[in-house]
Amino acid sequence: QSMLTQPPSASGTPGQRVTISCFGSSSNIGSNTVNWYQQLPGTAPKLLIYSNNLRPSGVPDRFSGSKSGTSTSLAISGLHSEDEADYYCGTWDDSLNGFVFGTGTKVTVL
Amino acid sequence: QVKLQESGPGLVKPSETLSLTCTVSGGSISDYYWTWIRQPPGKGLEWIGYMYYSGSTKYKPSLKSRVTISLNTSKSQFSLKLSSVTAADTAVYYCARTRSDLPYYYYGMDVWGQGTTVTVSS
Repeated sequence: QSMLTQPPSASGTPGQRVTISCFGSSSNIGSNTVNWYQQLPGTAPKLLIYSNNLRPSGVPDRFSGSKSGTSTSLAISGLHSEDEADYYCGTWDDSLNGFVFGTGTKVTVL
Repeated sequence: QVKLQESGPGLVKPSETLSLTCTVSGGSISDYYWTWIRQPPGKGLEWIGYMYYSGSTKYKPSLKSRVTISLNTSKSQFSLKLSSVTAADTAVYYCARTRSDLPYYYYGMDVWGQGTTVTVSS
């Protein structure tokens, strides 16, 4: 049972803005920075956002992250067909004393 | 460019030990955290644990009694051993790297292997 909850699905048409939320608690998101990962079908996850809102080199600026209290969000502005993937948040949980991933959100481009 | 490659048996019998190796190429194995993650069929990601290049480890509490992660710096490899496996351990297993100059979770897992499928079945 994950300590980070995400909606199972989200969708949008090309060019739209899609936002994915990740809800946690004071022992995880409330205390530590968050990463986001993108997993395209049949491939390994890829780091999309680190430290709440920073993008690794090569990640398009249409991906952005934010955090407020015990929740965090990933926004995709100007949705592309190649953005169809599963997205996971992740952070450290001080109570569990381990890293936790969110339940995952499948983004569909209509 | 750093690359990670998982290797090991694709089929393990129940109650036996699953053993996987991750080979690091194109970069140093020092100064990083080295992590194992798994993904059961059709399910989400599960963090198994990490080893810091200095030798310290951290494991998911519910797996701690069965997991060992070790490092072989001379071969640029790190390994996962998971004992007493059951069908619930069937998954794609990934290895990944994290920078170590700040807390483990800060930089995220920036390099991943392609994953290797392990099935537990008699």
